[in-house]
Amino acid sequence: DSGVTQTPKHLITATGQRVTLRCSPRSGDLSVYWYQQSLDQGLQFLIQYYNGEERAKGNILERFSAQQFPDLHSELNLSSLELGDSALYFCASKGRTTAGELFFGEGSRLTVL
Amino acid sequence: AQTVTQSQPEMSVQEAETVTLSCTYDTSESDYYLFWYKQPPSRQMILVIRQEAYKQQNATENRFSVNFQKAAKSFSLKISDSQLGDAAMYFCAYREIGANSKLTFGKGITLSVRP
Repeated sequence: DSGVTQTPKHLITATGQRVTLRCSPRSGDLSVYWYQQSLDQGLQFLIQYYNGEERAKGNILERFSAQQFPDLHSELNLSSLELGDSALYFCASKGRTTAGELFFGEGSRLTVL
Repeated sequence: AQTVTQSQPEMSVQEAETVTLSCTYDTSESDYYLFWYKQPPSRQMILVIRQEAYKQQNATENRFSVNFQKAAKSFSLKISDSQLGDAAMYFCAYREIGANSKLTFGKGITLSVRP
């Protein structure tokens, strides 16, 4: 158990819909990272938050947005969903060692039909 | 931009044998971190081992060890005494120094273990 909690574990929805994925980082970790894992693109970095502020942005579509709340949990909002958005979405929090390894949640499997 | 390359999509090893998974990376930085993550069928991403680039000594974690060749930008993972539970996808990852730097992953390699 990494200590990072993600909900829901599985989600099936239709094209054009909007979903929200939720993440709680490990106790005491201030940074949250979101990654998308698809078969053809591998693990792609989406966005990072630190203590409520956006710190880095990767290959995140304009239809996607995220935020981190004062209690440090984070939400990733995906809207106007397309078939190609079907993927495994991971949240991770950054450890406090010098190397700053990421600890991942179990992921949210999104299927868009 | 930094890139991480895992050129072997699949490998297979006999139980109790040793296998080495290859990884190369490209960076202009002199200091950084490297990681290997394991993703079993459960899909959880599990940290296997990490290496700080400023350390010359190769990292070791029980049956897992790395061969870090900084000049060659190579970072291979050796699994000794392979077990059935080692069957998984393995990802090599790179991170720059800096509080807000992200992990950049390779495409991964699928390791199967033959009983």
